[in-house]
Parts: sequence; C-alpha cells; structure tokens
Amino acid sequence: DTEVTQTPKHLVMGMTNKKSLKCEQHMGHRAMYWYKQKAKKPPELMFVYSYEKLSINESVPSRFSPECPNSSLLNLHLHALQPEDSALYLCASSHDPGDNQPQHFGDGTRLSIL
Amino acid sequence: QKEVEQNSGPLSVPEGAIASLNCTYSDRGSQSFFWYRQYSGKSPELIMFIYSNGDKEDGRFTAQLNKASQYVSLLIRDSQPSDSATYLCAVNAGGQNFVFGPGTRLSVLP
Repeated sequence: DTEVTQTPKHLVMGMTNKKSLKCEQHMGHRAMYWYKQKAKKPPELMFVYSYEKLSINESVPSRFSPECPNSSLLNLHLHALQPEDSALYLCASSHDPGDNQPQHFGDGTRLSIL
Repeated sequence: QKEVEQNSGPLSVPEGAIASLNCTYSDRGSQSFFWYRQYSGKSPELIMFIYSNGDKEDGRFTAQLNKASQYVSLLIRDSQPSDSATYLCAVNAGGQNFVFGPGTRLSVLP
C-alpha cells in the first residue's frame, strides 16, 4: 500500500461518459502530479499542481480536466474520451515543488475506454 | 529536448549475482536522480535517489552518479527473483521537470 491513494482502481467507460479519477495524500506534500502510462512505456507527465495551482499542463487534450480542491486532493475529470486514452493513470506527490524531492506514486487507476 | 536513456533489456542475471543498470541523461543542469522499480501492472516504487557525485548505498542497492559523464547507475547485489521488474531512471533538471527513461527490464533467473 502507498501513502498516495487513488480511486477507483479500475474504470471502464464509454466514449460519451463523464467520470472522475480521485487522488488523495496526507503527507503534507504541496506538489501533486498526474501521469499517463501506456503498456511497456514510461510514465508521461500530464499536469502538475503546486500549492493547489496548476503550474504545468503538458498540452493535454481538453477532454482531461484536472482539479485540485485542496492541498490533499487531486481530481482528473474525464469526458468524451477516445479508445487511445485507455491507460494506467498515476497520481504522484512530492514534498515541495522545485526542491528536487522524490515523487511518490499511488497505485494508479487502470482506465479502459470502450 | 531533455532526454534520459536506458538500455531496454531484458537484462538477465542469475540469482545471487550483481545486476548493473545504467542511465544517461542529456541535460547538464540536472540536479537530482531517482531509481524506481515497477512490477508488471503496478505503479512505480521509489528505490533510491542521489544528488551528489559518488556512491550511495541502501541495503542491497547502490546508486552511482557521475555528473561529468552524465551517467547514473543502480547496482543490485545478491539479486533475487523478486527483483525481476522494470527499473525506471528519472532525472529532475530543476523545478517540476521530472523526466523518465524508457526503463530496463531485469530478469533474475533462479
């Protein structure tokens, strides 16, 4: 078990559905991240939140919408996804943005788009 | 474009041997270096991190950093079948600029 908790663990949705992925950490970390990982590939950075503000958006399509309601929570809202969006979505956190501390990953949400 | 390179493997070693995993990076301004282990279908798990030139040891794991050569390695002593996984090298070139290498698949043979 990790200290970064992601729900749900698995999600199957149709291309017209709206769903959300959730991530929670209680380590007092002030930077939180969303990554997408396809099979046999490394994680690809999607978004970074620093002190609850979006600081990096790696040109992610607008069908992915991140939200950081408070310092412990990070959401990823999904709408009108495509089959190629099927992947493992990883949330990570680190102590402080820019301090070179390691990122700690949650167990991920395995997303399948029908 | 900041790049991190690793030999994709698979790297096969017999049980009890030393496994040596290598990583090179392109950005000379990189400041911190991380090794993650990822089992199939699981999330990356932090194994080691290193900031300064030289060696850093933690149990059976040793990370080695040579900034002049832009090279970081991970040695696993007394390799066990449970060490079989993909090892991801990650480099932070400052701020939140965290770049992963493609990973090396390690297979430890009983």
